[in-house]
Amino acid sequence: DAKTTQPTSMDCAEGRAANLPCNHSTISGNEYVYWYRQIHSQGPQYIIHGLKNNETNEMASLIITEDRKSSTLILPHATLRDTAVYYCIAHSTRGYNKLIFGAGTRLAVHP
Amino acid sequence: DGGITQSPKYLFRKEGQNVTLSCEQNLNHDAMYWYRQDPGQGLRLIYYSQIVNDFQKGDIAEGYSVSREKKESFPLTVTSAQKNPTAFYLCASSSQGQVYEQYFGPGTRLTVT
Repeated sequence: DAKTTQPTSMDCAEGRAANLPCNHSTISGNEYVYWYRQIHSQGPQYIIHGLKNNETNEMASLIITEDRKSSTLILPHATLRDTAVYYCIAHSTRGYNKLIFGAGTRLAVHP
Repeated sequence: DGGITQSPKYLFRKEGQNVTLSCEQNLNHDAMYWYRQDPGQGLRLIYYSQIVNDFQKGDIAEGYSVSREKKESFPLTVTSAQKNPTAFYLCASSSQGQVYEQYFGPGTRLTVT
């Protein structure tokens, strides 16, 4: 599995876009990029995933660079409820493979 | 409402006692998982089950046991052999075709003294 690297923490003002980077320079061609988030003392929540095209859903947008070595999760209008730890995971869907949750990025949204 | 329930939310036990954590899902998912999370850390996989009556060890299975007698249920027993059982335990499930979109329960915080 490709290792992912994320900043330990980030801050964002409420109402602004939060851009969370993830580096996965060793990602292989069949590995997707998944994003989850975990609000304090709750279970993680799936946000979005993608292979090479940019993806958007009701929660966020995922921008993957053309060389696939990095990606950015964008929360377009961050709210206080978006304060959480965000996990970036690179993984293949072939066969069974476990999700590997690293330490993630702790995003603090402030008023 | 479909989802995963874990009970209880907080659990306290004395050292040397076995304790069973409950996990139930009504999402009709085939696969279920147990993770452990320590403060400030990511999640580590304890056990997973892809189908009823079958389960496999994850990365940190020592001192834990599971059963999968029903599709909806995947209880985890923390035995007295687990050296550091105090942690936040999370159960998850996923459908067969979407293993990586896992749905998590609210977690059980176990404290052993």
